[in-house]
Amino acid sequence: EAGVTQSPRYAVLQEGQAVSFWCDPISGHDTLYWYQQPRDQGPQLLVYFRDEAVIDNSQLPSDRFSAVRPKGTNSTLKIQSAKQGDTATYLCASSFGTGGTEVFFGKGTRLTVV
Amino acid sequence: QQQVRQSPQSLTVWEGETAILNCSYENSAFDYFPWYQQFPGEGPALLISILSVSNKKEDGRFTIFFNKREKKLSLHIADSQPGDSATYFCAASAWDTGYQNFYFGKGTSLTVIP
Repeated sequence: EAGVTQSPRYAVLQEGQAVSFWCDPISGHDTLYWYQQPRDQGPQLLVYFRDEAVIDNSQLPSDRFSAVRPKGTNSTLKIQSAKQGDTATYLCASSFGTGGTEVFFGKGTRLTVV
Repeated sequence: QQQVRQSPQSLTVWEGETAILNCSYENSAFDYFPWYQQFPGEGPALLISILSVSNKKEDGRFTIFFNKREKKLSLHIADSQPGDSATYFCAASAWDTGYQNFYFGKGTSLTVIP
């Protein structure tokens, strides 16, 4: 069974540039998460979906970040105008159902903003 | 405010020793605590988890001890192996979020010396 797939694996931007990250969750998983993991920190939840619906995006910097999951499968996270403080690894994860089921993480996209 | 705290930040043990990683939390509503293992360049992977109704959970060489009154838990890795060298994250979630909103600590970097 394929795991959570993310692309690209790496991105280097100048401040002000835009970037999109793509995630393909495990087939059949209805819940998809985007986490931000700064260097030497734990993952921090940005947004999560159940199917195509946003369940919680309260930690997403809405002025520059957006996330969609239009068909309840793949998802895209976009940063409109990157800042140096956005430098981090962006992790996508997926799970099936609720109640403490295992959450599977992708390998992440390492973003550097210079 | 950091909801989940981990200590030590880094830990070095000899092969065969028991490594003890500590975690504490703030929110009394948290009742599900997974531990994740992360290798460089990889996403976190679920190692072992515990619900607050239990005070101990074992899985092979890995044991979680949980103290609800003190809001503390620890991960014990017995007979540590060089392959256990990784960063370990304690996370917490609550039933009222469907166990889908996880708060992660900053992690403990474990090095096992052969």
